[in-house]
Amino acid sequence: GDQVEQSPSALSLHEGTDSALRCNFTTTMRSVQWFRQNSRGSLISLFYLASGTKENGRLKSAFDSKERRYSTLHIRDAQLEDSGTYFCAAEAGGGSGNKLIFGTGTLLSVKP
Amino acid sequence: GGIITQTPKFLIGQEGQKLTLKCQQNFNHDTMYWYRQDSGKGLRLIYYSITENDLQKGDLSEGYDASREKKSSFSLTVTSAQKNEMAVFLCASSIQGWEQYFGPGTRLTVL
Repeated sequence: GDQVEQSPSALSLHEGTDSALRCNFTTTMRSVQWFRQNSRGSLISLFYLASGTKENGRLKSAFDSKERRYSTLHIRDAQLEDSGTYFCAAEAGGGSGNKLIFGTGTLLSVKP
Repeated sequence: GGIITQTPKFLIGQEGQKLTLKCQQNFNHDTMYWYRQDSGKGLRLIYYSITENDLQKGDLSEGYDASREKKSSFSLTVTSAQKNEMAVFLCASSIQGWEQYFGPGTRLTVL
């Protein structure tokens, strides 16, 4: 079936540094959503993209508008509160009924 | 803004027991979803519903039933809890085809 491959699976950053997470899709996707899950398990929506890029503070996400087969999440000037598990999830559209397919997550740890 | 509430927050059951989880949303969204998350893994879709009284199977529907009693509520039943099962069940809602918003989850432990 349709798959979402997320990388890296774990990432350790020092405060103030930049990095990027990536999700590849085995088929063309209609939209992508990025989430952060905190230590209590709450899933917070960061971005929803049907194309192009979106930016919110130190976070920026892009969804490849041509092939629609990958998305990235950039973290600029990482802070301690950015720590958590990040998930991407994509929707194939068509007859999929708005079903999201989740990646396996990136465990981000930001250190002083 | 709106909110999604899930009850209970923690659910402890016995092997073979039938267990029901509830979800309410006040976004007035058409579509509601139930996902399961195992420790260290991504979410997998169990059931979803695009309108009141509608029910669609996800990838993980075996062993579960669901019911969309009204637009604002969607319940999930574990038909026979499996021994040593531990997972978090997450409810979400959306306008069909758009961004999904998630509840805080119900943590299930089966003894």
